[in-house]
Amino acid sequence: DVKVTQSSRYLVKRTGEKVFLECVQDMDHENMFWYRQDPGLGLRLIYFSYDVKMKEKGDIPEGYSVSREKKERFSLILESASTNQTSMYLCASSTPDGGDTEAFFGQGTRLTVV
Amino acid sequence: KQEVTQIPAALSVPEGENLVLNCSFTDSAIYNLQWFRQDPGKGLTSLLLIQSSQREQTSGRLNASLDKSSGRSTLYIAASQPGDSATYLCAAQYIFGTGTRLKVLA
Repeated sequence: DVKVTQSSRYLVKRTGEKVFLECVQDMDHENMFWYRQDPGLGLRLIYFSYDVKMKEKGDIPEGYSVSREKKERFSLILESASTNQTSMYLCASSTPDGGDTEAFFGQGTRLTVV
Repeated sequence: KQEVTQIPAALSVPEGENLVLNCSFTDSAIYNLQWFRQDPGKGLTSLLLIQSSQREQTSGRLNASLDKSSGRSTLYIAASQPGDSATYLCAAQYIFGTGTRLKVLA
């Protein structure tokens, strides 16, 4: 059974804190993604990575950075958390474009910044 | 920039009805289109993936079609059941629409 695992289901952090959201996949996928989901706005792509140490900005990268030191792990970093980053964060992985590129998602991390 | 639109935003139907959910996208240069289901507070579950070279995919009571030239995909759900109640999302090359919230009434 394929699996994408996010380290926390719920997280509460204070404004200004540095926050790490971790995602691990066990499918040997090259592509990994971070989205945030907000009511009325749907899922918006923050960053994606198509290989180890490679990253590309999505539609809303401001205030975020990412790290991919190993193929199976993709971390989202909020350098200085703000209340407008309160959201549901979803991680996904897939094989590269051109193949069977079905994307699989983790269970989500609901982050609240107070 | 790819934009994905889903219509309707919400739908309420009696059990047993056949229904169609629509997805349109602006950039037809996509490798694939994928349909997902999301239950409240949960992650996304993949339903169907259509590669750019395919016209449709079927899984059980679900059938998804893809027309790249017109920038459209539809998800057909046959004989709907209360357990189908969820939000349905389409993604064109990893860009998502805002979803259709479906409620099937018993």
